[in-house]
Amino acid sequence: EPEVTQTPSHQVTQMGQEVILRCVPISNHLYFYWYRQILGQKVEFLVSFYNNEISEKSEIFDDQFSVERPDGSNFTLKIRSTKLEDSAMYFCASGSSGGSFNEQFFGPGTRLTVL
Amino acid sequence: QKEVEQNSGPLSVPEGAIASLNCTYSDRGSQSFFWYRQYSGKSPELIMFIYSNGDKEDGRFTAQLNKASQYVSLLIRDSQPSDSATYLCAVRYTDTGRRALTFGSGTRLQVQP
Repeated sequence: EPEVTQTPSHQVTQMGQEVILRCVPISNHLYFYWYRQILGQKVEFLVSFYNNEISEKSEIFDDQFSVERPDGSNFTLKIRSTKLEDSAMYFCASGSSGGSFNEQFFGPGTRLTVL
Repeated sequence: QKEVEQNSGPLSVPEGAIASLNCTYSDRGSQSFFWYRQYSGKSPELIMFIYSNGDKEDGRFTAQLNKASQYVSLLIRDSQPSDSATYLCAVRYTDTGRRALTFGSGTRLQVQP
């Protein structure tokens, strides 16, 4: 069964450093998302991406964040200058264009630890 | 502020019983409703979705939606210890073009063998 994959599974970085989180969505999906979950808290929406552009973003997704689909398979989330409060699980999700119900399938996540 | 509310639990049920998980949401314009299961340290796994008033069944799972009361629930029949997890309710709101899901904080279910 197709699934979303993410790398790395765990990323440790120093405050102020740039990180890139990578995702490979399900191959026939056209909508891509990033969510994050701070330990013990809710899953929070960051951004959605369709047709090579951001279609929606939350107030969390400020100028420190960017997304890119550099080729036909990868979808990346970049955090330019990490802060302690960026420590969280980051989930990539993808969904197909078929149907209007917007099922989203999540990858296994990248645990980001900012020291 | 669009909210999705869930009782954090834990909800404890004996093996073989029916577990009933509830969720309320704040926006009457909400369109689609999703139940995800999340094991500790893992990612959310989609169980099922519902968009019409009434019941939708899939195996041991039944989702129930009441838009007038802004209430969605998930019933798990014949609960198994492997069902022990946190169940997340997620709502898609209907602002133009929006596809983002708003999640509740989840209900932790414990199925006792």
